[in-house]
Amino acid sequence: DVKVTQSSRYLVKRTGEKVFLECVQDMDHENMFWYRQDPGLGLRLIYFSYDVKMKEKGDIPEGYSVSREKKERFSLILESASTNQTSMYLCASSLTVGRGYTFGSGTRLTVV
Amino acid sequence: RKEVEQDPGPFNVPEGATVAFNCTYSNSASQSFFWYRQDCRKEPKLLMSVYSSGNEDGRFTAQLNRASQYISLLIRDSKLSDSATYLCVVDTNAGKSTFGDGTTLTVKP
Repeated sequence: DVKVTQSSRYLVKRTGEKVFLECVQDMDHENMFWYRQDPGLGLRLIYFSYDVKMKEKGDIPEGYSVSREKKERFSLILESASTNQTSMYLCASSLTVGRGYTFGSGTRLTVV
Repeated sequence: RKEVEQDPGPFNVPEGATVAFNCTYSNSASQSFFWYRQDCRKEPKLLMSVYSSGNEDGRFTAQLNRASQYISLLIRDSKLSDSATYLCVVDTNAGKSTFGDGTTLTVKP
């Protein structure tokens, strides 16, 4: 089974801090994604990547950036954390377009 | 209007019941369709893909109606362990996935 590992399950950060969320997949998947999930708003796509060093903005990229230096690793960066970025962050990967995702177990980030 | 719409429920059914969820999508160029299951405070997990011909996996049946732009999930003989939120997902041909907000199912003894 594909495994998608997110580095932290829970994080508490202060407003203004730079935050790194790491995601690693072990099955050579081309595509990787970052979502956030909030009650009443569902899953919203922040950024995605179809190849190393490639990134595309999703629906809500403001306040975030990403890095994909290696195929297996996709990092989400909160440049200056704000309280409205308190959320569950979910990383996912897929083999190709049109195949389902495998999600990591999520990082619950609280910004205080 | 949301790109993918689901009835949020909750659906409360007794064990053994048959329950059906519908999901409508607005982008006629959508190519791939999925149902995911999400347990409380866990990540979504792929339940099944949805094909035009319909597909079945044990007690679960998924259907796609392209003309009316909806997909459905039927669960027969519900089990307590089926209690979860079911997410409808639609992919465009650019490979972007849009998630519905989910339908909550509670199966009671």
